[in-house]
Amino acid sequence: NAGVTQTPKFQVLKTGQSMTLQCAQDMNHEYMSWYRQDPGMGLRLIHYSVGAGITDQGEVPNGYNVSRSTTEDFPLRLLSAAPSQTSVYFCASSYVLGGDNTGELFFGEGSRLTVL
Amino acid sequence: KNQVEQSPQSLIILEGKNCTLQCNYTVSPFSNLRWYKQDTGRGPVSLTIMTFSENTKSNGRYTATLDADTKQSSLHITASQLSDSASYICVVSARGSTLGRLYFGRGTQLTVWP
Repeated sequence: NAGVTQTPKFQVLKTGQSMTLQCAQDMNHEYMSWYRQDPGMGLRLIHYSVGAGITDQGEVPNGYNVSRSTTEDFPLRLLSAAPSQTSVYFCASSYVLGGDNTGELFFGEGSRLTVL
Repeated sequence: KNQVEQSPQSLIILEGKNCTLQCNYTVSPFSNLRWYKQDTGRGPVSLTIMTFSENTKSNGRYTATLDADTKQSSLHITASQLSDSASYICVVSARGSTLGRLYFGRGTQLTVWP
């Protein structure tokens, strides 16, 4: 069972470079999301999607783009990397179960990004 | 303002001992509360999910409690093991929202010493 797969696990960028963090899930989940985790802070939502072709902004969307062309994939794009984007990024997916959204959220193993 | 506060920030216990982690929230209207375990360098893994009507839920040596009236939850770990060393994250969801409206605590870092 692959679950949620993120690539790459580690990446070093220079300021101004662009890159894409990949996320794929094989559980046929409708909901997918990207979070960033910084020391001393809780996970913060960047963007999320409730299905193919549907995306929305989270708490900290600036500097990031997403698209959802298939159910399985939800890439996160950094258009022009900045040192403030140095962080650990997590992709997560879930079924959306009813109005109380009690679907279990499955996380990937994370992608550690350093921007110099 | 919707917030989730966890205490203590960090905790050290000896192997075999019990411990309790706290979570206070101001998220309203409340939908459900989750506890996650995050090992160093790994993604969070779900331990429990509790809705408004549930006040206790167990998962092996982990027992979560919820008091929706006082907006408090606790995670009790029994007979701790070295593998329990991790960050424990409390997450609260607001009713009527999508999964994009999860409020995360900063976590409690638990260290179990032999």
